[in-house]
Amino acid sequence: GNSVTQMEGPVTLSEEAFLTINCTYTATGYPSLFWYVQYPGEGLQLLLKATKADDKGSNKGFEATYRKETTSFHLEKGSVQVSDSAVYFCALKGGEGSNYKLTFGKGTLLTVNP
Amino acid sequence: GAGVSQSPRYKVAKRGQDVALRCDPISGHVSLFWYQQALGQGPEFLTYFQNEAQLDKSGLPSDRFFAERPEGSVSTLKIQRTQQEDSAVYLCASSRLTDTATEAFFGQGTRLTVV
Repeated sequence: GNSVTQMEGPVTLSEEAFLTINCTYTATGYPSLFWYVQYPGEGLQLLLKATKADDKGSNKGFEATYRKETTSFHLEKGSVQVSDSAVYFCALKGGEGSNYKLTFGKGTLLTVNP
Repeated sequence: GAGVSQSPRYKVAKRGQDVALRCDPISGHVSLFWYQQALGQGPEFLTYFQNEAQLDKSGLPSDRFFAERPEGSVSTLKIQRTQQEDSAVYLCASSRLTDTATEAFFGQGTRLTVV
């Protein structure tokens, strides 16, 4: 079945540092890939998505590229801010089985210090 | 409302009690999902509705879990005879369409603690 493996945290960075959170997946077919973010005290929010190979999703300075050859969807940001402190979840939908069920990674806690 | 609304936000239940968790999806969203998020883990799928029809309940962990959406809008997740292992955050999500690309919008969740 589908599965997502993401970098274990916690990750602690200083403001303006470069961020990478690794995410790899297992799925047959052509799933869509997502990054969700959960800020303290809030619900999950979609950060970005990519629906086919080589697509790049981007939002709020974050980027991730759908790499089918390496089954990866790593999240990057060139200069993090304190306000980016949150838990980040990589997820996929589609591929084998349903086209509606999201499969999530375990989440990565990011803390950005001033 | 503008987003997915869940109530209560927090629920403490004694072991053996029944609980009911409510989800009010975004107006017009035909698809509704329940997920369970254990501490330190990612959300895991429980069940899916398209309008009032429950099309997939493969993720419900036992027959103590029951979900309904009788009028195709508000949904209730009911857990009977709660156990400590049921302690988790229960997330509801809704989406306008059901396909791989469509975004699902999540509520803030209900944190259930069974003591």
